[in-house]
Order: sequence, then structure tokens, then C-alpha cells
Amino acid sequence: NAGVTQTPKFRVLKTGQSMTLLCAQDMNHEYMYWYRQDPGMGLRLIHYSVGEGTTAKGEVPDGYNVSRLKKQNFLLGLESAAPSQTSVYFCASSLRRGTGNEKLFFGSGTQLSVL
Amino acid sequence: GESVGLHLPTLSVQEGDNSIINCAYSNSASDYFIWYKQESGKGPQFIIDIRSNMDKRQGQRVTVLLNKTVKHLSLQIAATQPGDSAVYFCAENMRMESYNTDKLIFGTGTRLQVFP
Repeated sequence: NAGVTQTPKFRVLKTGQSMTLLCAQDMNHEYMYWYRQDPGMGLRLIHYSVGEGTTAKGEVPDGYNVSRLKKQNFLLGLESAAPSQTSVYFCASSLRRGTGNEKLFFGSGTQLSVL
Repeated sequence: GESVGLHLPTLSVQEGDNSIINCAYSNSASDYFIWYKQESGKGPQFIIDIRSNMDKRQGQRVTVLLNKTVKHLSLQIAATQPGDSAVYFCAENMRMESYNTDKLIFGTGTRLQVFP
């Protein structure tokens, strides 16, 4: 049981380049999330999904797009990377929300640098 | 405002001592709280959680206390070990009635350093 797997672990981009971060979970969780973590700011929610085929905006969605074509996968895309998107990105999943299922399981993170 | 904060950004304790990490929250509508541990280069790992209808919950070597009167949350680690060195985050789950969903708000974290 691998849990939540993120790829790649590290990436360096030039301003204006695009890339996709992949998140996969094998726990049959309904909810999936993308967070970014910056020094002194904690984890901030970018986008989330409450089920296959659904996506919703979080706190800081600008500059990112997501897709949830399959229940186990949640993709985060940067169409035109900017230096402000230099951060550590974490994917997470949860069984569902409510009745004690809010607990999030996190991946190991992707460190992204935009030059 | 809607915020979760920590009183101490860095806590240094001696191995074997007890550790107490504090967290303040500002939203009385929050009904669920979680503590996460994040080791260097890894993602946050669930430690313990507590619902707003409880004051205390114990796990293995960890205890979470919730004081709703002053909106304060604490994580107690008994007999702190070197492996406990990490950044600890509290998070509150806030109901958003207008969207029929909820929102998990994370604090900025406290670094726990354990020295021999």
C-alpha cells in the first residue's frame, strides 16, 4: 500500500514553461487536494476535488489548473510558470469529509523552482 | 479573522522531557482539529485529532487538549525522543455552510528540536 505518490520530486523550470505534477493514491479516497507550502505561510490550498470528474478552487488557485479524470489521480498543471510559483507542492487525499473522515494523507512533496 | 497560529515557532527540549506545543485558533465554528508532524523533506503525517465535543484525547505518547473557551489547542508529547524532532502543524476544520463543505486551515508550524 503506497498511499499518496507524487511525481516528480524535484523540478526546475524557466519562466513561461509549463509542467504537470502527478498525484496518485491507492486508498480509494474520494477527496484529493493540492497544497503549496512556503516558508512562514503554512500550507495553502490550491485546488481540490470531491470526486472523479470534479474540481474546485481553493485559497490560491490563480496560475494553476487541475484535472481528476480518474478517481485515483489528481493532476496539477502550470501553464506558464512564474517565479512566484517556486514552492513545495503537496498532494493529499481523504476518504471523505465529515464523520471523522477529514484526516488527510499527504504525499512526500514536489520541490519546484522557477527561474 | 480566520486564522490558526502557533505561540512558539521553535521549541527546544531535552530528550526524555515532555514537550508542549501550543496553537491558537480564532474561528468558533471549527468543529475538528488535527495535529500533523512534518519531518525534513517529507509530507505532513497525521498524529492525532480531536472533535470540538471533546476536551482531551490521548494517543501513544501524545495527548491533545482543546480549550474552546479560549480557543486554544495543545499537543503534549511525553518522554520526547530524537525521532520527535520535526515541524508540528495544527489544523482546524471549519464548516462553510454557504458551500455545504468545509475547509481545513493550517497553522504555520512549530519546530521541535530534541537535544541529548
